[in-house]
Amino acid sequence: GESVGLHLPTLSVQEGDNSIINCAYSNSASDYFIWYKQESGKGPQFIIDIRSNMDKRQGQRVTVLLNKTVKHLSLQIAATQPGDSAVYFCAETYTNAGKSTFGDGTTLTVKP
Amino acid sequence: EAQVTQNPRYLITVTGKKLTVTCSQNMNHEYMSWYRQDPGLGLRQIYYSMNVEVTDKGDVPEGYKVSRKEKRNFPLILESPSPNQTSLYFCASKKLGTEAFFGQGTRLTVV
Repeated sequence: GESVGLHLPTLSVQEGDNSIINCAYSNSASDYFIWYKQESGKGPQFIIDIRSNMDKRQGQRVTVLLNKTVKHLSLQIAATQPGDSAVYFCAETYTNAGKSTFGDGTTLTVKP
Repeated sequence: EAQVTQNPRYLITVTGKKLTVTCSQNMNHEYMSWYRQDPGLGLRQIYYSMNVEVTDKGDVPEGYKVSRKEKRNFPLILESPSPNQTSLYFCASKKLGTEAFFGQGTRLTVV
């Protein structure tokens, strides 16, 4: 079968390296997926999203990949910086239903 | 500035004393929701509202009430708080089909 990345609760990387954060979602009917970043003491903030009719979407330094076959989502951060240190959550939802289900979160630590 | 505002940010209360956490958004979003965040359990949805006078239970609604009398406001009510409701609470709003905007959080301690 196809190999996908495991979800890790913590990830530590060197400044300047690329980071990959993985997420498995549960509902094959979900059609909209979002990555959020939560810095210490703050609420989650939107990073990037992707709809189910796509398998890749790029933003500034971030890329989201969607593999619907194995219900897997990943967030790639290029040239990771200390300011990227945070907890990252994926969320799955239906476009018109409103309710989102959040993944467990990955704490990213960037070492200078 | 587009924002979701929660109050208070911090609250310590005693078991059984009714409290309300307010949430207001200025983006004219239809959808609003409340989450609690606990270590090791992630974000869990308490209640949500698709529009004025329309509310529904999320994954962990026990011990909570909400109301949506106006589009911008979505207060969370704890009629008789208990220590197991000690948590970090977030309000969020969104336009359906788009990302959610979260408030800064309310850290509640029930003793």
